[in-house]
Amino acid sequence: SQKIEQNSEALNIQEGKTATLTCNYTNYSPAYLQWYRQDPGRGPVFLLLIRENEKEKRKERLKVTFDTTLKQSLFHITASQPADSATYLCALAASWGKLQFGAGTQVVVTP
Amino acid sequence: EPEVTQTPSHQVTQMGQEVILRCVPISNHLYFYWYRQILGQKVEFLVSFYNNEISEKSEIFDDQFSVERPDGSNFTLKIRSTKLEDSAMYFCASSTQGVGTDTQYFGPGTRLTVL
Repeated sequence: SQKIEQNSEALNIQEGKTATLTCNYTNYSPAYLQWYRQDPGRGPVFLLLIRENEKEKRKERLKVTFDTTLKQSLFHITASQPADSATYLCALAASWGKLQFGAGTQVVVTP
Repeated sequence: EPEVTQTPSHQVTQMGQEVILRCVPISNHLYFYWYRQILGQKVEFLVSFYNNEISEKSEIFDDQFSVERPDGSNFTLKIRSTKLEDSAMYFCASSTQGVGTDTQYFGPGTRLTVL
């Protein structure tokens, strides 16, 4: 069956450092992968999409890589700030429009 | 910026009762979705809807669930006879296209508590 795995342990990081999150998947051959942010009690908010032919994608302090050989995506938050504290979700389109989410990794940025 | 809205924000109901969760998608979007998230678990796909028809549904979306677009703006999820295990956050989402590269915009969710 298709699986998406993200680090279940919270990532505690000091302000200004880079947070790196991992998303691994099995039994998928995705053409693209998405990352979302979720704050407690709120809906997911889209951050970035990366296609299989893109090795890297950036948006402001965010960077995503996609390695289809390793079946892995890395999500980086550079110069992290306390406002970046949230849960970050990896998502794959399991079929037409249907998103399958990983469990998410909680990031806690301390001043 | 346009947003997906959902009402109510919190719904408490007795087991066996019917509930209707309401969503107003972004006005020019054509594809609509419901997801749910049980406390502490991952966001799970329930159903997608386009052109007044269900496009796809998950195993969770059994005969107790139904969706409807009763007018040009609302999109509803009905649970006919709620069970304790239906307690979760329910998120509505919408998108302009139904493809995997399209951004889905999520609403703030309705917290459903079944007693």
